[in-house]
Amino acid sequence: QVQLKESGPGLVQPSQTLSLTCTVSGFSLTSNSVSWVRQPPGKGLEWMGAIWSGGSTDYNSALKSRLSISRDTSKSQVFLKMNSLQTEDTAIYFCTRDYPGPFAYWGQGTLVTVSS
Amino acid sequence: DIQMTQSPSVLSASVGDRVTLNCKASQNINKYLNWYQQKLGEAPKLLIYNTNNLQTGIPSRFSGSGSGTDYTLTISSLQPEDVATYFCFQHNSWPGTFGAGTKLELK
Repeated sequence: QVQLKESGPGLVQPSQTLSLTCTVSGFSLTSNSVSWVRQPPGKGLEWMGAIWSGGSTDYNSALKSRLSISRDTSKSQVFLKMNSLQTEDTAIYFCTRDYPGPFAYWGQGTLVTVSS
Repeated sequence: DIQMTQSPSVLSASVGDRVTLNCKASQNINKYLNWYQQKLGEAPKLLIYNTNNLQTGIPSRFSGSGSGTDYTLTISSLQPEDVATYFCFQHNSWPGTFGAGTKLELK
């Protein structure tokens, strides 16, 4: 059974760095890509970036300078780090498995609030 | 980036109605179009991938069609559990982009 679960701090101060972990089960990271998608409260969806099965990464150009995605295949975990957070980064952050298509399976999401 | 425009933004329909949701891309996306359903307070769920492929476990009343720049999600007979916001997403060009969503309500 495919499962993904996001974890991380619910509150981050402005200008600080966000670190999130996506723990997966039911599939291998070495044969599946994982994406991060975020959704500001009450608003639409934004694809942030992906880590491919071979370990390479791609990022949305709007976030590329602030975003890093990595993984630990031995722990079945994918990591998101984004620096210089601002209030507009307040959102629910989701990780997804990208097979058979983009965002085929989703975690429950984790709400991150950027506030002092 | 490719712009995705969904219409209508809000749709009211009755149980049993045939419902059509639209998604228009700013350029040809070669059928690389997915549809997602998001119920209130839940994560989105993949319904249709690559225009017309039904994701495993999704009821057959959902179907997708389209080509070029114009795509459609059809619900053949609306059920109460279909109340949700529906998003389209193109993954033909980098970065993939979402539409703003269509909120489907019961009349």
